[in-house]
Formats: sequence, C-alpha cells, structure tokens
Amino acid sequence: NAGVTQTPKFRILKIGQSMTLQCTQDMNHNYMYWYRQDPGMGLKLIYYSVGAGITDKGEVPNGYNVSRSTTEDFPLRLELAAPSQTSVYFCASSSRDRLNPLHFGNGTRLTVT
Amino acid sequence: AQSVTQLDSQVPVFEEAPVELRCNYSSSVSVYLFWYVQYPNQGLQLLLKYLSGSTLVKGINGFEAEFNKSQTSFHLRKPSVHISDTAEYFCAVSATGAGSYQLTFGKGTKLSVIP
Repeated sequence: NAGVTQTPKFRILKIGQSMTLQCTQDMNHNYMYWYRQDPGMGLKLIYYSVGAGITDKGEVPNGYNVSRSTTEDFPLRLELAAPSQTSVYFCASSSRDRLNPLHFGNGTRLTVT
Repeated sequence: AQSVTQLDSQVPVFEEAPVELRCNYSSSVSVYLFWYVQYPNQGLQLLLKYLSGSTLVKGINGFEAEFNKSQTSFHLRKPSVHISDTAEYFCAVSATGAGSYQLTFGKGTKLSVIP
C-alpha cells in the first residue's frame, strides 16, 4: 500500500537548471496538491488539481508548472531554478477535496545553488 | 481570504504533563478547521478536523480541540503527552464555500516532550 510516492528524495540544482519533481498516488484520489515548506513558514500551496486534465494555481505558483494527464500522476516542473526555490516540496492527495484527509508524500528536499 | 496564527513556535513539556497548542484564525466567511501533525522526515497527517456540529472534536492519539467562534480559536489539547508526541503541529483553515479547495496552514508549533 504505497499511498503517495515522491521522487527524488533529495536534489541539488544549479541556478537556471530545470527539473521535474515526480508524484504518484495509488489511491484513485481525484484531488492532488503541491505544497512547499520553508522553515518557520508553514506550508504554501503551489498548484492543485481536481481531476485529470484540470489544474489551478495556488498561493505561490510563480516559477512552477504542473500537468495532470492521469489520475495517478501530478508532476511539478521547475523551468529556471532560482535560490528562492530552495525548499522541501510535498505532494498530497485526497478523495474529496480538503474535507477528507490529505495524504502526504515524504517530501523532496531541493537545494538551488 | 483566511489566515491562521499559531501563537507558539516551540512548546517544551514534560512527559505525562498536559499540553495546549494555540491556534487563532481570521476569516470573513464560515470556515472548516484542521490540525495536522508532522513527524521528523515525514509528510503531514490529519489529527482532527472541525466541519460542523459539536465544538469539541476528538482526534487520533488522544488529542482533542475546541472550536470557539467568538474567540476565533481552535486550540489543540492533550491531557498527558508521551515522548512519541514530539513532532510539529500545524493548524489549518479553509472556507466552507463550494469551489474552495485550498487549505491555509499556520507556521507550525514544534512540540518537544521531555523525559
């Protein structure tokens, strides 16, 4: 029972490089989310999706892109990495928006230097 | 828009002592309220939630919280903590309206249980 799986666990990027953070869930959840967590700042919503083919911006979407071609996968793309994107990224899913528990992955720790 | 203020960034407490983690929210509309817990190197997991009805909500691991609309608070309590409760706790709020998909999280409170 894998739940929400995020890869990679850790990554170091140089300024200007690009990468994709992978997220997949095996619970058939329609709702999926990407958050970033910075020390002492809580979690900020980057993007979310209410189903395959539907995505929308959250609170801090600048510098990121997402796609949702299947129910299972919700990758997050960083096109031109900047030091301000150094953070821990969490993917989450739920069966019925935020009223049901969000199931979180274990996070991707990204450093941009 | 909604916002959440967690009044303490760190709370040390001795094992078997009671604890209260404070949360205040701000919103111009009705809200749902949540407490999530994050253990080291893990994602968050739901402790409890208030959607409607009784203002005293019981969650997992012996935690409970009370919704106080007049004071716009949703404080988390446990009568006797264990070492395993050491974690970071996040209060979160969401508007009740249809189409409101976002949870707004507080900055977190680190609970340290001292043996």
